[in-house]
Amino acid sequence: GESVGLHLPTLSVQEGDNSIINCAYSNSASDYFIWYKQESGKGPQFIIDIRSNMDKRQGQRVTVLLNKTVKHLSLQIAATQPGDSAVYFCAENAARDDKIIFGKGTRLHILP
Amino acid sequence: ETGVTQSPTHLIKTRGQQVTLRCSSQSGHNTVSWYQQALGQGPQFIFQYYREEENGRGNFPPRFSGLQFPNYSSELNVNALELDDSALYLCASSSSGTGSSGELFFGEGSRLTVL
Repeated sequence: GESVGLHLPTLSVQEGDNSIINCAYSNSASDYFIWYKQESGKGPQFIIDIRSNMDKRQGQRVTVLLNKTVKHLSLQIAATQPGDSAVYFCAENAARDDKIIFGKGTRLHILP
Repeated sequence: ETGVTQSPTHLIKTRGQQVTLRCSSQSGHNTVSWYQQALGQGPQFIFQYYREEENGRGNFPPRFSGLQFPNYSSELNVNALELDDSALYLCASSSSGTGSSGELFFGEGSRLTVL
């Protein structure tokens, strides 16, 4: 069945270092994989997505990697800043119709 | 700012009562999806409305129902409230029909507490 999960619930990173948030998925039929960021008291915010026929996509300070062989997705944040503190969700769009299935989330703590 | 507004922001109800939550979608978006987010969990898909019709439903009982209006705003109704319905209810708008990737624009949610 469809499921999106995460390896670690909490990640602490020194300010200025790179962050890597990992995610496992089980639905090989998903067309897109997406990362959302949710700050306290706010709704999730789209960060970046990657289509299933790609293995890497870069945005501003973020890179998403997709390894379909092991069904693994990761989000890399370069030069982590205090404003990156949030819960990060991986998600998948399995049906190309905006029905997004979310995982449980990883909380990112930025250490001074 | 996503342009998606939800009301009310917070509300308290008792078991057995009914609640209606409202959402105004971003201008130009024809699709609204509703999610339930329990504390410490990821958002769970409730259902989606596209051009006033339900277009898919998650694993939620029939007492969760919705509407979408001609201006694409939407309501989520929950009848016979249970304690486990306490959660943050998120509305997200998007523009379907373009094979879009899944970029949803979320409101800040309605926090429902059931006592």
